[in-house]
Amino acid sequence: SYDLTQAPSVSVSPGQTASITCSGDKLENKFASWYQQKPGQSPVLVIYHDIRRPSGIPERFSGSKSGNTATLTISGTQAMDEAAYYCQAWDISTAVFGGGTKLTVL
Amino acid sequence: VQLVESGGGLVQPGGSLRLSCAASGFTFSAYGMNWVRQAPGKGLEWLSSISGSGDDTYYADSVKGRFTISRDNSNNALYLHMNSLRADDTAVYYCAKGALGPAARGGAFDFWGQGTTVTVSS
Repeated sequence: SYDLTQAPSVSVSPGQTASITCSGDKLENKFASWYQQKPGQSPVLVIYHDIRRPSGIPERFSGSKSGNTATLTISGTQAMDEAAYYCQAWDISTAVFGGGTKLTVL
Repeated sequence: VQLVESGGGLVQPGGSLRLSCAASGFTFSAYGMNWVRQAPGKGLEWLSSISGSGDDTYYADSVKGRFTISRDNSNNALYLHMNSLRADDTAVYYCAKGALGPAARGGAFDFWGQGTTVTVSS
């Protein structure tokens, strides 16, 4: 089965840049999406097609990909950005989520 | 866009349940739809997807043969029929709209419902 690997946790100071990575075999040939989930809430799409930001998502959220690693970057991180972040991609006919990264803003 | 799930509850192991997702605010038949679940304290797990027409369906190995996805485009409704439920099916179940038009697979999930909780226990 296809796997996407994320670090379980990342910490960042307010105002600094947070980088959350997602790696997977042949991810360079797939589109990665990113979701933010705050406790008790449903996931929200923040990045799709590797780099595109849906309307309503702040500009401080950006996506990139290099080889088999996709990266979600949050510039000028705010306390409200503390959440779990999941990457996702399709492997043929199966959608796969990474295990999630808990972002702590402290 | 609004997605509202219902049908969750407590069910005994081996039992069945049908989840529903009422969709509004977009042309329902023009988009693939998905079910995703989240076990307590765990991450997201994709379960199944269906094309806009309902002709194409896909399943995760963990639910293949036990769960069936379907849709009623005339009533803007998505369903998940769950049979042979096990304790490890206990989770919050979300319906999610596909962003890539009518295709069942590919693309992101751009809108999510609030989820409905399924608890499998005797």
